[in-house]
Amino acid sequence: DAGITQSPRHKVTETGTPVTLRCHQTENHRYMYWYRQDPGHGLRLIHYSYGVKDTDKGEVSDGYSVSRSKTEDFLLTLESATSSQTSVYFCAISPGQGGTGELFFGEGSRLTVL
Amino acid sequence: RKEVEQDPGPFNVPEGATVAFNCTYSNSASQSFFWYRQDCRKEPKLLMSVYSSGNEDGRFTAQLNRASQYISLLIRDSKLSDSATYLCVVTLRGYKYIFGTGTRLKVLA
Repeated sequence: DAGITQSPRHKVTETGTPVTLRCHQTENHRYMYWYRQDPGHGLRLIHYSYGVKDTDKGEVSDGYSVSRSKTEDFLLTLESATSSQTSVYFCAISPGQGGTGELFFGEGSRLTVL
Repeated sequence: RKEVEQDPGPFNVPEGATVAFNCTYSNSASQSFFWYRQDCRKEPKLLMSVYSSGNEDGRFTAQLNRASQYISLLIRDSKLSDSATYLCVVTLRGYKYIFGTGTRLKVLA
């Protein structure tokens, strides 16, 4: 299995509080991704990174920010959590190289915003 | 229109049956194609890549039709352990992975 861990795995928070989810990899892969998964919507890309300090927005980036100060860590921050951000968040990594690389996922972080 | 579309199912089939899923994609510039499997409350995992010439892995066969922009997955001799959600995935520009919403399969004893 790919060395990718997410923390925390479960979190309950209140509306308006900031939340940070961490993704850590030991594979030295270039690309890292944050997805959210909701019933009826499937996996939707929030942000991705193609290198240290290099990030870009996905299709559902509003209300989220990311940072990647080291190859191995990709942080997802909810500036001020809302109930609509209740979801399961998956981090994924890929070596890249023309899209032929497999996408490996972390086990997911289940976030509930009350 | 969604970039990747799948029939959500559920497909309920008896053990031993053959079942096929289709997936359509809208962007003709899509480069790579995959089927992922996701078990309930678990992370998605790669089932197989899909090549233009078609490819087989045991009981699983994947096909790609670029002209019609669809991908298929055929499962022969279904097992109870095949029960899962199957996600169709395409890539754009080499690094952007776009997922379908998934097709749920339930294999019945």
